[in-house]
Amino acid sequence: EVQLVESGGGLVQPGGSLRLSCAASGFTFSSYEMIWVRQAPGKGLEWVSYISSSGGTIYYADSVKGRFTISRDNAKNSLYLQMNSLRDGDTAIYYCARDDYYSGTFGGYWGQGTLVTVSS
Amino acid sequence: DIVLTQTPLSSPVTLGQPASISCRSSQSLVFSDGNTYLSWLQQRPGQPLRLLIYKISNRFSGVPDRFSGSGAGTDFTLKISRVEAEDVGVYYCMQATQLRTFGQGTKLEIK
Repeated sequence: EVQLVESGGGLVQPGGSLRLSCAASGFTFSSYEMIWVRQAPGKGLEWVSYISSSGGTIYYADSVKGRFTISRDNAKNSLYLQMNSLRDGDTAIYYCARDDYYSGTFGGYWGQGTLVTVSS
Repeated sequence: DIVLTQTPLSSPVTLGQPASISCRSSQSLVFSDGNTYLSWLQQRPGQPLRLLIYKISNRFSGVPDRFSGSGAGTDFTLKISRVEAEDVGVYYCMQATQLRTFGQGTKLEIK
């Protein structure tokens, strides 16, 4: 069974940093692209970042470019999101999800999310 | 950037009746490989996001056949043939042709 479990969320002051993790199981993690998506309270979904299966190709939304860094450790079946210079507008539930270009099933599996609250 | 516009934003439906959600893209979603990477996702309270439909009309694993997708180019539709109580939630269209964009979401509720 495919499982994605996010962790690392919490309350942080504006300007602070946080590192999110996504633990994957039930599939060959190193074969799949991964994304981070966030959802502000009561709002819709916003794509944050993408990383290819090898980690060699990375993209970011303009809203987080230069502040967030996506990475992965295929040996540990883990995806990460390092978030620096956090702003009030970054408050959201952060989800990791699995992509599969070859089947076209983008966002095929999702985690339950981890809540990040940026507030003084 | 590609913008996806969903209509309606709210859809009250009677149990057993059909429902339809539209998603319009600001530009063609046909990728260079000839595929159109338009998907539909379901978000139910307390549940993980769920992929329902991928590449316009393909049902994902375990998705009931009352869900169907159609469309081409810039106009797409999700249809539920007979709404059940468990279908209550928010539905998003999503494109993966150019980075990633989501529609605003359509809230499906029972009348």
